[in-house]
Amino acid sequence: SYVLTQPPSVSVAPGKTARITCGGNNIGSTSVHWYQQKPGQAPLLVIYYDSDRPSGIPERFSGSNSGNTATLTIFRVEAGDEADYYCQVSDSSSDHVVFGGGTKLTVL
Amino acid sequence: QVHLVQSWAEVKKPGASVKVSCKASGYTFTGYHIHWVRQAPGQGLEWMGRINPNSGGTNFAQKFQARVTMTTDTYFSTAYMELSRLGFDDTGVYYCARVERGSFFYWGQGTLVSVSS
Repeated sequence: SYVLTQPPSVSVAPGKTARITCGGNNIGSTSVHWYQQKPGQAPLLVIYYDSDRPSGIPERFSGSNSGNTATLTIFRVEAGDEADYYCQVSDSSSDHVVFGGGTKLTVL
Repeated sequence: QVHLVQSWAEVKKPGASVKVSCKASGYTFTGYHIHWVRQAPGQGLEWMGRINPNSGGTNFAQKFQARVTMTTDTYFSTAYMELSRLGFDDTGVYYCARVERGSFFYWGQGTLVSVSS
């Protein structure tokens, strides 16, 4: 089955740029979606189709996808961005949904 | 406005079954698949499977294939996920979600299922 690999944790100072990666075999050939989850809350979609933002998501959130790595970039990080972030794809071979293991973003 | 409202928390004994509901509103229920996602305490998101409310067709993750049943009641716009032969490691929050633009745009609030003797 398809595997998505995320770093367990990323730390960044306020105002700086955070980059969270999601690795997968030829992931650039499929669409990647990203979710933010804060403690006690349901996940919230922040990026879909690699780089599109739902309404209400700040422009500071950006996504890219190429080769074997997709990346969620958060510019000018704020304390409120501290959360777990998950990438997600649909495995075309099995028609199953796959999530990455999640990355805990810590704002220093 | 799309809403997915799930049933309340459940406490079950090992070996029992649990049935979680997800009531949809704000859209045509039969037009979109409902997915179920599990999150064990302190762990990541785990996809369990999906159901097509229009046809009743299902697709499950292999891990849950033998123990999960997903159904819908189109009259009440409600989806159900039943997990049988519960073990302690089935403790967690169970979410229903609806796809739009290829992603899980809409989520239920989650249902905590605790398995305890």
